[in-house]
Amino acid sequence: AQKVTQAQTEISVVEKEDVTLDCVYETRDTTYYLFWYKQPPSGELVFLIRRNSFDEQNEISGRYSWNFQKSTSSFNFTITASQVVDSAVYFCALSAPYNQGGKLIFGQGTELSVKP
Amino acid sequence: GAVVSQHPSWVICKSGTSVKIECRSLDFQATTMFWYRQFPKQSLMLMATSNEGSKATYEQGVEKDKFLINHASLTLSTLTVTSAHPEDSSFYICSATPTADTQYFGPGTRLTVL
Repeated sequence: AQKVTQAQTEISVVEKEDVTLDCVYETRDTTYYLFWYKQPPSGELVFLIRRNSFDEQNEISGRYSWNFQKSTSSFNFTITASQVVDSAVYFCALSAPYNQGGKLIFGQGTELSVKP
Repeated sequence: GAVVSQHPSWVICKSGTSVKIECRSLDFQATTMFWYRQFPKQSLMLMATSNEGSKATYEQGVEKDKFLINHASLTLSTLTVTSAHPEDSSFYICSATPTADTQYFGPGTRLTVL
């Protein structure tokens, strides 16, 4: 069975602090994709990143970075120098496109609050 | 590109009535669309997978007679909540997939049943 665990339900930081959101996944598939989405109060999901299971390179995009480690089945997300606009709920998700038709399994989400 | 729209963005209805929510892929064809439901402070839960021209596949615990899904074209899927009740009040989000490894999400529809 596939499962995504985001153990941190809520995180509160002060602006300019770095913050890491944890994501641990379970799957028996050898080919899969991992995603991070941001959901601001408006509700619309904002796509942040997609990583396939064969690419363990870490990625940096501006203040965002991702650490993918297959050995620990983790795909953690770090925001450097956080800003108030980063306040949102962040979801980690897993899909197995070839075996599951591409459906996404979401973690429970981490609500990030960045205070000025 | 890759825009998915949903209509309406919010709807309030009386208990016992039916509500239809549309999901459209505006600039691509989607052989598969997904419907998710999100209760307040909770994660997105997949309700069903909708494939163009065939019956939808429902997740365990989702009543197919209550949540009717129609995917009549490659750009449109509809979700009809029949005989809605207050416990059906939720945020409904669709996604559309041009390929099996990419999903684009709609902005969501907030349903309130009085």
